[in-house]
Amino acid sequence: DVKVTQSSRYLVKRTGEKVFLECVQDMDHENMFWYRQDPGLGLRLIYFSYDVKMKEKGDIPEGYSVSREKKERFSLILESASTNQTSMYLCVSTRQYLPNYGYTFGSGTRLTVV
Amino acid sequence: DQQVKQNSPSLSVQEGRISILNCDYTNSMFDYFLWYKKYPAEGPTFLISISSIKDKNEDGRFTVFLNKSAKHLSLHIVPSQPGDSAVYFCAARAWGSNYKLTFGKGTLLTVNP
Repeated sequence: DVKVTQSSRYLVKRTGEKVFLECVQDMDHENMFWYRQDPGLGLRLIYFSYDVKMKEKGDIPEGYSVSREKKERFSLILESASTNQTSMYLCVSTRQYLPNYGYTFGSGTRLTVV
Repeated sequence: DQQVKQNSPSLSVQEGRISILNCDYTNSMFDYFLWYKKYPAEGPTFLISISSIKDKNEDGRFTVFLNKSAKHLSLHIVPSQPGDSAVYFCAARAWGSNYKLTFGKGTLLTVNP
């Protein structure tokens, strides 16, 4: 069974801390995405990557950066955490050229910044 | 500019009846549409999808209808069950967008026993 694994289910961090959210997939997918989900706002795209070391900004990249050094791992970095980054973060992956396989979601990381 | 709209934040139906969740979109480049279900504290799970070359896709109790001229799609759940109670997200992908998904804000479905 294919998997997208997010390293933490729950995180509590202090304002100003540098925060790393890790995502690993075991399906050899080229495309990986980071979304955040907030009540009443749906899922909004932060960053995505379609290949190793390649990245593109999504709709709300401010305050975030990403790293993709290996195909299976896509990291989201909060450079200096703020309370408005308290949210559920979701990692997604999919294969290029055969997108009808569907998109696989991780279970999410609930981040609270205090 | 919200390209995928779910105008009903919530919907309540009786067990056994039909649930109809609606979604409108504005981007004519969208060529693939998906519905996801999400329980609290879990990641979304894929329900059903439809390509823009079709107008209907069915999978068990779930049917998605696509009306391209109206830029509208709907998810029908028949019969509804209490376990269907969750937030439902409509998502769309534009051709040539590197497979990015654009989501609606979601509809909370409550199925009452």
